[in-house]
Amino acid sequence: DIQMTQSPASLSASLGETVTIECRASEDIYNGLAWYQQKPGKSPQLLIYNANSLHTGVPSRFSGSGSGTQYSLKINSLQSEDVASYFCQQYYNYPFTFGSGTKLEIK
Amino acid sequence: EVKLQQSGDELVRPGASVKMSCKASGYTFTDYAMHWVKQSPGQGLEWIGTIIPLIDTTSYNQKFKGKATLTADKSSNTAYMELSRLTSEDSAVYYCARSSGLNPYVMDAWGQGASVTVSS
Repeated sequence: DIQMTQSPASLSASLGETVTIECRASEDIYNGLAWYQQKPGKSPQLLIYNANSLHTGVPSRFSGSGSGTQYSLKINSLQSEDVASYFCQQYYNYPFTFGSGTKLEIK
Repeated sequence: EVKLQQSGDELVRPGASVKMSCKASGYTFTDYAMHWVKQSPGQGLEWIGTIIPLIDTTSYNQKFKGKATLTADKSSNTAYMELSRLTSEDSAVYYCARSSGLNPYVMDAWGQGASVTVSS
C-alpha cells in the first residue's frame, strides 16, 4: 500500500496568514492526489483533486501543488471558517490511502 | 442539490453484523460510483471499497474483504454496506461518498456519517 505522510499534525496561525500543509507519498503517485477539509463534527469536503485542480465552489485562497512524491496545500489569507482538519488522499493506486490529517487552529 | 442520507447510529454486540444505508438524491444514482470510508481515532480515514451501481461491480480494500459487503439498489437509489463479525476494532464512523464526475477516484459529496459502536 502507498503510505501518505502528512505534516504538520497540528498548526496554529493568525487570521490573514498563509499556511502550508505537506503530504509525502511513499512512491510516485503521478499527481493522483486530493485534499479534503473536515470541519468539527462534519463530513469531509473535497477541496482539490489531481493535485492542483480546485473543486467547484472552493474559494481561490486554497491551492494545491506538487509532483512525484511531494505535495502541498496552501491556504492564503486565513479565515476563521478555515478552522478544520485537512487530509490528503492518493488515488493513483489501490487501495486508496489517506494522510493522518492536519488540525488547523486560529491563534 | 446532491444529498447522501445515511442511516442512524448503531450499537451492536461483538460478533453481530450491521447493515447501513446511504440514500442518494439530487443526481442520477447510476451515473456515479459510491465509495465507503471508515474514520476512527486510531486509524484516521480508511477507504473500504467502491461500488458502481450501474453494473453492480465492487472493488475492496484487501483489509476489508470478508468484513464489508457493498451492494446497491437502483430502484431506490440506495447504497448499502454490511459489516460482519464485528469487534471493537470496527467501532468507528462510516461514510458513504459519491465519486466525482471529473475523477471517479475522488469523493465530491459525502453522507453525514453513521457511528457504529461495538460493545457488549
